[in-house]
Amino acid sequence: LAKTTQPISMDSYEGQEVNITCSHNNIATNDYITWYQQFPSQGPRFIIQGYKTKVTNEVASLFIPADRKSSTLSLPRVSLSDTAVYYCLVYRSNDYKLSFGAGTTVTVRA
Amino acid sequence: EPEVTQTPSHQVTQMGQEVILRCVPISNHLYFYWYRQILGQKVEFLVSFYNNEISEKSEIFDDQFSVERPDGSNFTLKIRSTKLEDSAMYFCASRDYADTQYFGPGTRLTVL
Repeated sequence: LAKTTQPISMDSYEGQEVNITCSHNNIATNDYITWYQQFPSQGPRFIIQGYKTKVTNEVASLFIPADRKSSTLSLPRVSLSDTAVYYCLVYRSNDYKLSFGAGTTVTVRA
Repeated sequence: EPEVTQTPSHQVTQMGQEVILRCVPISNHLYFYWYRQILGQKVEFLVSFYNNEISEKSEIFDDQFSVERPDGSNFTLKIRSTKLEDSAMYFCASRDYADTQYFGPGTRLTVL
């Protein structure tokens, strides 16, 4: 599976938009991109997933360029409660496991 | 909204004892997983389960570990003889038709 690289940490302020870019240069045709959020001592929480172009749901948007070698998770108007670790993962449809990296620790300040 | 549940939330045990961690996956899901996360480290895949058998397992999932779906709702992880290094958060997950895995809140296992 394609290795992912994302920043170790990001700081933001309440009300700002946070964009986390993840690179996955070796992504394969059958691979999908998914993002999870994790708070301390809690299970990872699914945020969004996509294959190409743009996907939007009630909490985030995911932008995937045509070459699919990177993706950007966009969190609009963050609040203090969005302080968490965000994981970018690449998975193959019908593969049986998710491989987590270290993720990006996003800290939102007042 | 349906969610994965896990019991207990915290389990304390003595080294060498057996523990069983329980999970109730989302009802219409067919694929089930166990992951663990040692404090301060990454979430690690342990095992996947489909159609009443193991689909894939990691190196961590040795002979001390076993999984079972004893009835139509529960999915269990058993550790036969716990070691100190088994102390971790254990997460159960289940997958829907759209390949999305949903995680439970976890069980914190402390081995003394």
